[in-house]
Amino acid sequence: SQQGEEDPQALSIQEGENATMNCSYKTSINNLQWYRQNSGRGLVHLILIRSNEREKHSGRLRVTLDTSKKSSSLLITASRAADTASYFCATAVIQGAQKLVFGQGTRLTINP
Amino acid sequence: SAVISQKPSRDICQRGTSLTIQCQVDSQVTMMFWYRQQPGQSLTLIATANQGSEATYESGFVIDKFPISRPNLTFSTLTVSNMSPEDSSIYLCSVEKGPGGAFFGQGTRLTVV
Repeated sequence: SQQGEEDPQALSIQEGENATMNCSYKTSINNLQWYRQNSGRGLVHLILIRSNEREKHSGRLRVTLDTSKKSSSLLITASRAADTASYFCATAVIQGAQKLVFGQGTRLTINP
Repeated sequence: SAVISQKPSRDICQRGTSLTIQCQVDSQVTMMFWYRQQPGQSLTLIATANQGSEATYESGFVIDKFPISRPNLTFSTLTVSNMSPEDSSIYLCSVEKGPGGAFFGQGTRLTVV
């Protein structure tokens, strides 16, 4: 079963506002990653946070990880129309080989 | 980084037929991963393909339905066999290069009619 649960399932905001997406998972992880998918195409890796890290920044992206609550959040600041996409969290678990388990995703729409 | 070329990008197929999807990577990788994304859903791992050995399938996926080849360290194919409309999905291949996350092909959008 899918390990990651994301909320909200859909988010619509005005350009310039901040967007926050949340992800929860169930088991121990090696790291947690966030991906973006435009219009059902391939996924693009955004950021990776390791299990011993609590916060990470990359440009307009800020990711937090709370392993005690088994949750993560992705914040996109100063949103742009080009940020319109689906965002997925993926947890990396070790089962022989490292595998990614994806959350259900958040569909983000930025209105101009 | 890794550049992955996946083809076809889309196809419309008759039920009962098979489609083979190809994935070419611009560098050698140990493992390649195949995912399915059903309409409006998230990604589900189908199998992990290692060069020189049988692919490892996830629960709910079997080799007869999704045979995989991995003839060398830069190439893999996934076949969707005896297709039905329920197989209509996006199929994606993926590789990992170091600790920085996974790289994905652009996906194959399959419609079975």
